[in-house]
Amino acid sequence: AQSVTQLDSQVPVFEEAPVELRCNYSSSVSVYLFWYVQYPNQGLQLLLKYLSGSTLVKGINGFEAEFNKSQTSFHLRKPSVHISDTAEYFCAVSKGDKIIFGKGTRLHILP
Amino acid sequence: SQTIHQWPATLVQPVGSPLSLECTVEGTSNPNLYWYRQAAGRGLQLLFYSVGIGQISSEVPQNLSASRPQDRQFILSSKKLLLSDSGFYLCAWSPRGGLADTQYFGPGTRLTVL
Repeated sequence: AQSVTQLDSQVPVFEEAPVELRCNYSSSVSVYLFWYVQYPNQGLQLLLKYLSGSTLVKGINGFEAEFNKSQTSFHLRKPSVHISDTAEYFCAVSKGDKIIFGKGTRLHILP
Repeated sequence: SQTIHQWPATLVQPVGSPLSLECTVEGTSNPNLYWYRQAAGRGLQLLFYSVGIGQISSEVPQNLSASRPQDRQFILSSKKLLLSDSGFYLCAWSPRGGLADTQYFGPGTRLTVL
């Protein structure tokens, strides 16, 4: 069965520093993988997705993620964060007609 | 382009009162539709999803129900609200068919049950 684990519930990082948000998935079949962002009191917005092809996926707002099949990971990275990146980030995996979401990681940007 | 609407944006209801939250999608046909609840610190919980008019799948037992009276309308209801029903309710849609692809979320409804 597909599932998603986000290893960190909160990640503090200084402004302009790099960040990595970790995500591991479990699945015995081909999947689609997603990262969503949720700003306070808003719905979720797609950052990027991996369907097939190149394992390095580039998304909006300077984020990218790398699909690693051997490690069953899909970590999200940004080389230099901005205060506007303060949000909650959700990793997700497809499961039939549904998408299974991780519990989320809150990114705190420190001045 | 496609848009998804939810209303109301916020709602404060007493325990035991009924609930009706509405979600509509514009600019697409035959979407898959989803209701999620987000409680503090608990991530996203899928409540219901629908692949067509009148077709509702329930993910968790609860005192909520969902209906899809029209292709692009999805309604979340309750006859009697509980304190534990408080949370942020999100509606989402995705294109029909095959393995689940991108879901597009509405702005959400903040429900407080007192």
